[in-house]
Amino acid sequence: RKEVEQDPGPFNVPEGATVAFNCTYSNSASQSFFWYRQDCRKEPKLLMSVYSSGNEDGRFTAQLNRASQYISLLIRDSKLSDSATYLCVVRLDTGRRALTFGSGTRLQVQP
Amino acid sequence: EPEVTQTPSHQVTQMGQEVILRCVPISNHLYFYWYRQILGQKVEFLVSFYNNEISEKSEIFDDQFSVERPDGSNFTLKIRSTKLEDSAMYFCASSDEYEQYFGPGTRLTVT
Repeated sequence: RKEVEQDPGPFNVPEGATVAFNCTYSNSASQSFFWYRQDCRKEPKLLMSVYSSGNEDGRFTAQLNRASQYISLLIRDSKLSDSATYLCVVRLDTGRRALTFGSGTRLQVQP
Repeated sequence: EPEVTQTPSHQVTQMGQEVILRCVPISNHLYFYWYRQILGQKVEFLVSFYNNEISEKSEIFDDQFSVERPDGSNFTLKIRSTKLEDSAMYFCASSDEYEQYFGPGTRLTVT
């Protein structure tokens, strides 16, 4: 079983649409969770950390369900500039800082 | 906004040669990392470095790899005797206690 699993997509949505990505992780000891975005052939850029209570940053909302080992990202009012690959990332903590990446979900926002 | 920088942006080398990839982490960060991404695959952790020593490494980080912080600003990854399968994008990252920020990467091509 993959450590971090994501639907590869692509998700093709019109501008203004709401889109949701899901991610599951296999290691129940994981403590920290993040969403990064990656544009083609560029570095991963931190989008947001994911907290147990859920958190929102503008048009982006992240949720964590520890019992189900499930993380989600919701993007409202999609913009053309949101087109990218969204990477679900987990970390064990407890002295270990290595990030474990999912393979990413590709989003294409169309005019 | 402070950022991680990496040089060179692209390195072409012949199989069996040694390469050194360079990174300048964000100045007040204490933790440094190398990751790699083979074309079309996910980002993979190589090594983390703290207080002038390796704090964690993955199975990928074998004896052909080494890291060094030769001065107060640079962080380097050396690959001895490169192989064709070392061709990838190599990302440096740095962090304070929590969130990791990535540099733009060095594309290594081994011929």
